[in-house]
Amino acid sequence: NAGVTQTPKFRVLKTGQSMTLLCAQDMNHEYMYWYRQDPGMGLRLIHYSVGEGTTAKGEVPDGYNVSRLKKQNFLLGLESAAPSQTSVYFCASTAGTSQHNEQFFGPGTRLTVL
Amino acid sequence: GDSVTQMEGPVTLSEEAFLTINCTYTATGYPSLFWYVQYPGEGLQLLLKATKADDKGSNKGFEATYRKETTSFHLEKGSVQVSDSAVYFCALSPPDRRKLIWGLGTSLAVNP
Repeated sequence: NAGVTQTPKFRVLKTGQSMTLLCAQDMNHEYMYWYRQDPGMGLRLIHYSVGEGTTAKGEVPDGYNVSRLKKQNFLLGLESAAPSQTSVYFCASTAGTSQHNEQFFGPGTRLTVL
Repeated sequence: GDSVTQMEGPVTLSEEAFLTINCTYTATGYPSLFWYVQYPGEGLQLLLKATKADDKGSNKGFEATYRKETTSFHLEKGSVQVSDSAVYFCALSPPDRRKLIWGLGTSLAVNP
């Protein structure tokens, strides 16, 4: 099992450009999450999904959109990138059947917006 | 609302020193509690967890006990190694299980 994979690993954008980050999991998990990690800020939840076809806003959703068309994939889109979106982005997934379930994380995408 | 507070870092220790990273929480109901670890350049991975009061989670020499009376879940290790250098996150999972509530993380550096 590959677990949770993220594509790409690194990306540099110019202000105003758009891009999509792809997260894929092969564990048949129901719940998936997108976080951003910034120095001193810990992990902040951007959006999440509790099943195929569903999405919900997290703490910091502005400037991002998501889609969960297939159970195994969760896409994060930036329509018009801003320097404030420079960050490391992590995807995670969990079975969602119990509050005891752990979240499994991908390796992260380091995004720089110039 | 639910929240997690953990001690600020960075924490710097010498090899074989004793480690404690404090974590306290506020929550309604009965959450599950977790410690995650993030090694440099990697994603987070579960270190240990406890699902009810007085449970002790343990892994790789680390331990934490779910203390409901003090709403705490402190992480301890008796003898740290250089390879334990990482960022440690405390988190709780409320009964609705939709989202984890995260602490800000504590950076640990272990010197030889």
